[in-house]
Amino acid sequence: GQNIDQPTEMTATEGAIVQINCTYQTSGFNGLFWYQQHAGEAPTFLSYNVLDGLEEKGRFSSFLSRSKGYSYLLLKELQMKDSASYLCAVRGPGGGNKLTFGTGTQLKVEL
Amino acid sequence: GAVVSQHPSRVICKSGTSVKIECRSLDFQATTMFWYRQFPKQSLMLMATSNEGSKATYEQGVEKDKFLINHASLTLSTLTVTSAHPEDSSFYICSASRTGYTNYGYTFGSGTRLTVV
Repeated sequence: GQNIDQPTEMTATEGAIVQINCTYQTSGFNGLFWYQQHAGEAPTFLSYNVLDGLEEKGRFSSFLSRSKGYSYLLLKELQMKDSASYLCAVRGPGGGNKLTFGTGTQLKVEL
Repeated sequence: GAVVSQHPSRVICKSGTSVKIECRSLDFQATTMFWYRQFPKQSLMLMATSNEGSKATYEQGVEKDKFLINHASLTLSTLTVTSAHPEDSSFYICSASRTGYTNYGYTFGSGTRLTVV
């Protein structure tokens, strides 16, 4: 089965850095995705990791450790517009194309 | 870029009626379409996976006779909620999959807010 966990809520200050963690226990692994979702809208792609290590893309970075079943999304220089839900999703099992989403983390950025 | 058009964006229907939601890939061929449901403040829950020209594969606990999925062409997939009840009120989102393209192959529709009264 698939079990993907994230903190439910986080609060951070504008301009700061925040790290959102995701742990997973899945029957197969073929890559991990991070999405941003504003209320009532579709998810927006942020990052993709399939090998261990850090992927950096502007203010957003994502890290993966397959042996630990762990990933995090790092957001730097937080802006008010970053207030949203952040979803971790695992692709698999095996060669399957199915995405299983984590519980989601609601991030609130305050002044 | 890849676009999936999902309609309607909002629909209100009476209990007992059926509602059809369409997802259309505008500039690519969607070999696989995923249908998700999302309740307020919760994550996306996969309902079913459909491949063009074949029967959909439903996730455990999802009633295939209630949520009818048709993927008759490479650009159109539909989800019909039959005999809708208030507990079916939710946000429904489709996602088209294809290999070798941006976003590693997943393009989401804009979602449909279904309210059953």
